[in-house]
Parts: sequence; structure tokens; C-alpha cells
Amino acid sequence: EDQVTQSPEALRLQEGESSSLNCSYTVSGLRGLFWYRQDPGKGPEFLFTLYSAGEEKEKERLKATLTKKESFLHITAPKPEDSATYLCAVLNYGGSQGNLIFGKGTKLSVKP
Amino acid sequence: NAGVTQTPKFRVLKTGQSMTLLCAQDMNHEYMYWYRQDPGMGLRLIHYSVGEGTTAKGEVPDGYNVSRLKKQNFLLGLESAAPSQTSVYFCASAQSGGIKSEQFFGPGTRLTVL
Repeated sequence: EDQVTQSPEALRLQEGESSSLNCSYTVSGLRGLFWYRQDPGKGPEFLFTLYSAGEEKEKERLKATLTKKESFLHITAPKPEDSATYLCAVLNYGGSQGNLIFGKGTKLSVKP
Repeated sequence: NAGVTQTPKFRVLKTGQSMTLLCAQDMNHEYMYWYRQDPGMGLRLIHYSVGEGTTAKGEVPDGYNVSRLKKQNFLLGLESAAPSQTSVYFCASAQSGGIKSEQFFGPGTRLTVL
């Protein structure tokens, strides 16, 4: 069964304290891995898509990387406005209709 | 360009009542999706559509029906609401269903069934 597991469930950082969020997956065949950001009371906002092992993408203080078994979202020198829940999702080879399998998310809190 | 909008934002129903949630997108996207999000469960796909006039079941379709009569709209119906359907519902749309197609989400509808 295809599965996505995110860790930790919650992460508290001080402003400027860099860290990483983990997304491990087991799928029959990975076509793409997606990262989203979700603020309280809002819908998920797209951040990145990664397609193959070794690929990296960056956006401001965020950098996403992908291996054959997991993806990391690295947050460098975070600010309080980076506080949100970060969701990971995968699209497998059977997902021609774009059906994503989501993890439960990591709730990030950044204190000033 | 409003993106994906959802109506209503909040709703309280009594058990057995019916209602329809409306999702609209102005990006000319072919694919549309309905998810529910529950604490500790993550996002789960209810139904989806790959084009006007088409619908298909997702992971948790029981108790829901959908229709896609117009390309820009995707309706989610609850014929006889149950407390287990208390959740936050999100609609999403995408240009295609393939690998290079991120989904854009609406702001959500918070539904409580008493």
C-alpha cells in the first residue's frame, strides 16, 4: 500500500535556527513528490514539485531535496512568518488523474 | 483572477439534512478534486473530475455525490448528512493530472453536522 509519513509531527524553532522536515514514502513507482504549505484556516499552497532522486529546488529560505525513499524540506534561518503546517504528497505511476497521497503534515512554529 | 473559490465558508447541519458545496475556478483547469481534512488524518480524496461531465470516486466517496456540469464548477453533495461528515472540505483544481501539474486549493468549507 502506498504511504507517506512525515516527521516530526510538530517542530518548534527559534528565529534563525535552521532545521529540516522529513517526508518518507513507499509507493509502487514515484512520478512526483509535492510540498505544500498550509496556514491555519486556509487551503494548502503549492511550494515545490520534485521528480527524481537527486533533484533540489529552492524558494527563499526553503530548499527541498529528494532521494529514492524520502524528501527533506530544509529551512534556513527561519522567521516567524515561516510558521505553518507543511504537507508532503506523492503521485505514483498509477496516478494519471493526479490523485495525490498526502502525509499528515509537520506543524512548524518559529518563535522570535 | 480569483483562483479557486468555495461556497459557503461555514455551515452547520443537523443529521439527515442535505446540502451542496460549490467550488469554482477561473483558471480554465480540466481537473478538479474534492478533499476532506480531519485532525490526525491528513487530506483524503473524496471525488474528482478529469473534465466537464466526468466524475470518479476517490479514497472516501461514501455518503457524497458530485457533479461537473460546467468546466469551471465542481459541486459536492451530501444527501443525508451524518456526524462523521463533520470536517473541513477543500476543493482543488489542476491543469492536468500528469506529473507536471500542481493542484491549486480553495480556502475550504468548515462543516459541522450535529
